[in-house]
Amino acid sequence: QVQLVQSGSELKKPGASVKVSCKASGYTFTNYAMNWVRQAPGQGLEWMGWINTNTGNPTYAQGFTGRFVFSLDTSVSTAYLQISSLKAEDTAVYYCARARTFDPWGQGTLVTVSS
Amino acid sequence: DIVMTQTPLSLSVTPGQPASISCKSSQSLLHSDGKTYLYWFLQKPGQPPQLLIYEISNRFYGVPDRFSGSGSGTDFTLKISRVEAEDVAVYYCMQTKQLPFTFGPGTKVDIK
Repeated sequence: QVQLVQSGSELKKPGASVKVSCKASGYTFTNYAMNWVRQAPGQGLEWMGWINTNTGNPTYAQGFTGRFVFSLDTSVSTAYLQISSLKAEDTAVYYCARARTFDPWGQGTLVTVSS
Repeated sequence: DIVMTQTPLSLSVTPGQPASISCKSSQSLLHSDGKTYLYWFLQKPGQPPQLLIYEISNRFYGVPDRFSGSGSGTDFTLKISRVEAEDVAVYYCMQTKQLPFTFGPGTKVDIK
């Protein structure tokens, strides 16, 4: 079945970097774009942007430029979200979700930024 | 950007009773391709969101028929005909007509 499996929780110090992975299975990875969505503790869903899995071209929402980078490794059907210069306010669950239909979603990766 | 609003933000429902959530967009979600890119998701506690309804009124695979979506243009509604305990969740509408994709703030549904 179509599935997205994300990497495990991360605890990082301010200023560090983190790389979250999202491994796809059950479909042709390069046929569907991949979205990234942030959910801060107790908050709603915020679209961060998406990446064209065929061309590798990313699109970032306002507020997610500069420190946020989407990338791919199509050989292993995996999308990545890297966040650099982490701040406390980056503490959130990060989700990947397939295509414009946002189906399916990964299980989420909790990134905690704390000194 | 298209702003999505939802009312109410919270809803307490007696099991077996209906529930209705309104979602409004700041611009029409009718795309030039003829489709209206309005989606509904539910997020149960501790779980990722899951697709409930796509393009206003199409139930996703496995979604019970007590869930229905309606509307057009800028005004949309999600209805649950008879709320069950398992429907406790936060419900989000979302538009994917244009970038950036935007979510509503969410409506928390719980059981009385």
